Order: sequence, then C-alpha cells, then structure tokens
Amino acid sequence: DQQVKQNSPSLSVQEGRISILNCDYTNSMFDYFLWYKKYPAEGPTFLISISSIKDKNEDGRFTVFLNKSAKHLSLHIVPSQPGDSAVYFCAADDAGNMLTFGGGTRLMVKP
Amino acid sequence: ETGVTQSPTHLIKTRGQQVTLRCSSQSGHNTVSWYQQALGQGPQFIFQYYREEENGRGNFPPRFSGLQFPNYSSELNVNALELDDSALYLCASRRGSWQGYFYGYTFGSGTRLTVV
Repeated sequence: DQQVKQNSPSLSVQEGRISILNCDYTNSMFDYFLWYKKYPAEGPTFLISISSIKDKNEDGRFTVFLNKSAKHLSLHIVPSQPGDSAVYFCAADDAGNMLTFGGGTRLMVKP
Repeated sequence: ETGVTQSPTHLIKTRGQQVTLRCSSQSGHNTVSWYQQALGQGPQFIFQYYREEENGRGNFPPRFSGLQFPNYSSELNVNALELDDSALYLCASRRGSWQGYFYGYTFGSGTRLTVV
C-alpha cells in the first residue's frame, strides 16, 4: 500500500516556464512533507519542506503548496532552468523518524 | 562539513552470500538511516540508528541488520542475499533524533548492489 504517490512519472517543460510536480498521500498522521531532487549517480538532495500546519512555503524559485483536505501537495518551480532537470521525490515524515517516499517524477527542462 | 560518503560505490554478489555496506556520516550527525531504492522506485526505509541503537525499522526481514559506531560511521549488513536485494542502498544522516528535520537528511551517493 503506497502511502505517498507521485502519479506522473515524467514531466517536460520549456525553459523559463513553470514546472508543477504533484504528490498525493493517504496517511493523515504525516506531520511534515519534503521534496528531494536526485541527479544520476548522486544521492537525493533536500530542496524544501512544509509543516502540516502550513499551506505554503517558499524558497527562491521553489514553492511547495499543501492541501490537507485533499491530501495533496505540489512543488512549483518558477522559472524552470535546464539545471533543474532531475528526478524529484516527494517524502513524508510522521515524526516517527522515518521518511516515506513517492516513486519520483523525472523533470526535463528543455532550453 | 564533509558530507556523507558510502563505500563501495558498486558491488556484485552471488545469491546466498553476505554483504556489508559502509557509510561515513557528517561530524555531529548522530542519527543515521538506511534506505533501499529499487530501479524506478522511491527509496524505502530500512532502519534508523540514534546514538548506536536502532530506534526505527521498516518492513525488512531480520537478515537486514546494522551497526552505528561512535565515530559517526555505520554499516548495513545483509545475510543470505536474494536476487530481489539488487538495488541502490542509500545512507542518510542528520544531527539529533528530533532536531532539524525541516532541513531533511543528508544523503550519500549510495552503493549499487547487484545480486546474481
């Protein structure tokens, strides 16, 4: 039973436009949500997080939105750059010291 | 900060053998977690150690075991290897058991294990 799902395995966006990556979850006990970026042959790199008591968190070009009633979160990247091309993972933490990851979305930003 | 380093980067083992993967965490990071990432999937939590004691475990059998040492290094041991154990194994560390996870874990680059 997948508690965190990323339903789009891939996304292609033109440079300068907005990238929107989506994530759904089922466990209402999750307290925090995080986004990681992963390049080939490297470990995941932390991007941005959001607490379950907030609905938005912004850091530069990256904004994460949380809709608790829909159990849905999204990552917006504006403007998208070719260097953003990577696999993005959504992860959730229930304060039990364990991260539950989604399956990832491969983002391709075309010049 | 020196980051999280894992060794070896690649490894090929035969079914039934045992393997030990190693991780060196950042100085001061006394919490370390191990994850298994199968091809095309997200990482799955194996277990976590805090101050050299296991304090969390995912849905993995007992043949997956670990150790954490006072010098911020740790090991993942897998006995009786199966073909399905072929995956990327990631080590992640952070400072403290409850602090700072807004900033997430720092992950190593992983060890790619192939079981034949």
